[in-house]
Amino acid sequence: GDSVTQMEGPVTLSEEAFLTINCTYTATGYPSLFWYVQYPGEGLQLLLKATKADDKGSNKGFEATYRKETTSFHLEKGSVQVSDSAVYFCALSSGYNKLIFGAGTRLAVHP
Amino acid sequence: DARVTQTPRHKVTEMGQEVTMRCQPILGHNTVFWYRQTMMQGLELLAYFRNRAPLDDSGMPKDRFSAEMPDATLATLKIQPSEPRDSAVYFCASGHDGSGNSPLHFGNGTRLTVT
Repeated sequence: GDSVTQMEGPVTLSEEAFLTINCTYTATGYPSLFWYVQYPGEGLQLLLKATKADDKGSNKGFEATYRKETTSFHLEKGSVQVSDSAVYFCALSSGYNKLIFGAGTRLAVHP
Repeated sequence: DARVTQTPRHKVTEMGQEVTMRCQPILGHNTVFWYRQTMMQGLELLAYFRNRAPLDDSGMPKDRFSAEMPDATLATLKIQPSEPRDSAVYFCASGHDGSGNSPLHFGNGTRLTVT
């Protein structure tokens, strides 16, 4: 079945460091891909999405490119801030909006 | 800003008691999902509905969990009887599947503790 694998955390960075969180997927067909972010005590919020191969999703300085050849959707940000500390989830859609999530990666950014 | 509303935010109950969690999806959305989040299992899909009809509830323990949508503005998840292993955060999410790739919108969850 469809699945998502993302790098284990926690990821600990200093402010203004470069961020990469790896995500790979297995799917039949051509799913849409998403990154969601979860702040403490809150639900998941959509961060960005890509709907077809070579699409780049971007939002709030974060970017991810849909790579069909490597079945990947890695999340990047050039300069992280303390306020980016959260848990990040990679997900794919599998019909009727159904989302299959990775395990989540906790990011901690220190001043 | 439209949002998914879940009640209660927190629930503490004793083992064996019935628990009902409620969700008001965003107006106009036609898909509703229930997810459970735990440290060990991450986000698990329990059940989902399209146009109020249940599509898949294979993620739920059938003997104690039930999910319903009595109308388009209300989805419920019930546990009877509850057990300590049900302690988790339960999220409701809604979306519209018309385009096939629209995102899901999540509520803030119900944190359930069963003692």
